Amino acid sequence: GESVGLHLPTLSVQEGDNSIINCAYSNSASDYFIWYKQESGKGPQFIIDIRSNMDKRQGQRVTVLLNKTVKHLSLQIAATQPGDSAVYFCAENKAGSEKLVFGKGTKLTVNP
Amino acid sequence: KAGVTQTPRYLIKTRGQQVTLSCSPISGHRSVSWYQQTPGQGLQFLFEYFSETQRNKGNFPGRFSGRQFSNSRSEMNVSTLELGDSALYLCASSRDWETQYFGPGTRLLVL
Repeated sequence: GESVGLHLPTLSVQEGDNSIINCAYSNSASDYFIWYKQESGKGPQFIIDIRSNMDKRQGQRVTVLLNKTVKHLSLQIAATQPGDSAVYFCAENKAGSEKLVFGKGTKLTVNP
Repeated sequence: KAGVTQTPRYLIKTRGQQVTLSCSPISGHRSVSWYQQTPGQGLQFLFEYFSETQRNKGNFPGRFSGRQFSNSRSEMNVSTLELGDSALYLCASSRDWETQYFGPGTRLLVL
């Protein structure tokens, strides 16, 4: 089903710590997942994606984990920096559908 | 390579008016999607165009419409504006529909 944005979950971490942002997706038929970062006043910025035939994918300082059994996606950010402060969205897509369904978003605040 | 551009960046309209927003995709991208972002509803899909054809549409009333030109540039139109249409309207482009790259958005305020 469609994700509806309600209150925004928040995560506050210290600079240098690792951050883990979680997302529960809604459609068990979804086979493509993306994480976006949105800073204040800007559009969402692509971070990393993963297909359903994988359970882990790594990028620069970021790792995405996919657990299809419980329909759960997570984004791990290593050595979090103040510039990582933003709202993070997960999005899902089902093969053959041309639209992304976005999660509520999590606001990450990095304290210096 | 230039990113997705949207014009105008800010817009103030009154109820009952109509508005047209423009989006220029990344060069070589043929798919353009539009989203509405509000604090209450989050990011919601409006519609997607590929090679001038609408391939998918979200659950928005007919007041919301769009089109795509042969150069892949896209416009969306909202007629008979309502207060609840106040939002950030985001355009995203991709080669097909998968990895979508977003523009900065147009912030619309309806008074």
